[in-house]
Amino acid sequence: DQQVKQNSPSLSVQEGRISILNCDYTNSMFDYFLWYKKYPAEGPTFLISISSIKDKNEDGRFTVFLNKSAKHLSLHIVPSQPGDSAVYFCAAIDQGAQKLVFGQGTRLTINP
Amino acid sequence: NAGVTQTPKFQVLKTGQSMTLQCAQDMNHNSMYWYRQDPGMGLRLIYYSASEGTTDKGEVPNGYNVSRLNKREFSLRLESAAPSQTSVYFCASSEIGGGSPLHFGNGTRLTVT
Repeated sequence: DQQVKQNSPSLSVQEGRISILNCDYTNSMFDYFLWYKKYPAEGPTFLISISSIKDKNEDGRFTVFLNKSAKHLSLHIVPSQPGDSAVYFCAAIDQGAQKLVFGQGTRLTINP
Repeated sequence: NAGVTQTPKFQVLKTGQSMTLQCAQDMNHNSMYWYRQDPGMGLRLIYYSASEGTTDKGEVPNGYNVSRLNKREFSLRLESAAPSQTSVYFCASSEIGGGSPLHFGNGTRLTVT
């Protein structure tokens, strides 16, 4: 039972364009959402988060959008840079619990 | 600035052998976690410790035990390794649990033959 789903295993985007990574969830109790970025042979690092009381959060080139009615969130990266090539994990949590649930990850490749 | 340190980085075990994965954090975080990463499965929680002295099961605890030795250290033990436990294991910590961001170590790549 995959509560957090990233249906695109991979995405290829040209440098300078917008990258859009998508994530769907099924548990309506989730009230906080996070994105992590992972380079090979390293642990994931926190990128950006959003609370369920918001529908958008921005941090520099990164923006996360939340659509609660659709149980969908997306991460926009603009403009995309070669250093953004990595695996991106979406994660969700019911803040009353302790268990962060991760999606399967999307491998983003930025082409020069 | 060590953050979260995991040892060893790589390990090969034969089926039935035991081993302990070590994890230590120097950020004075209260909560610590063990995840495993498998292709197409994302990161799955094995065990977590919300605070010193407490541990609890995650999504995939079977075949594992944990010890929260003190506030800094959280170890994961495989008593009798199985090929299904071949994976990359990540330890993480967070300040207060809940939605506070996790800080991950660089992982232990374990192969069970």
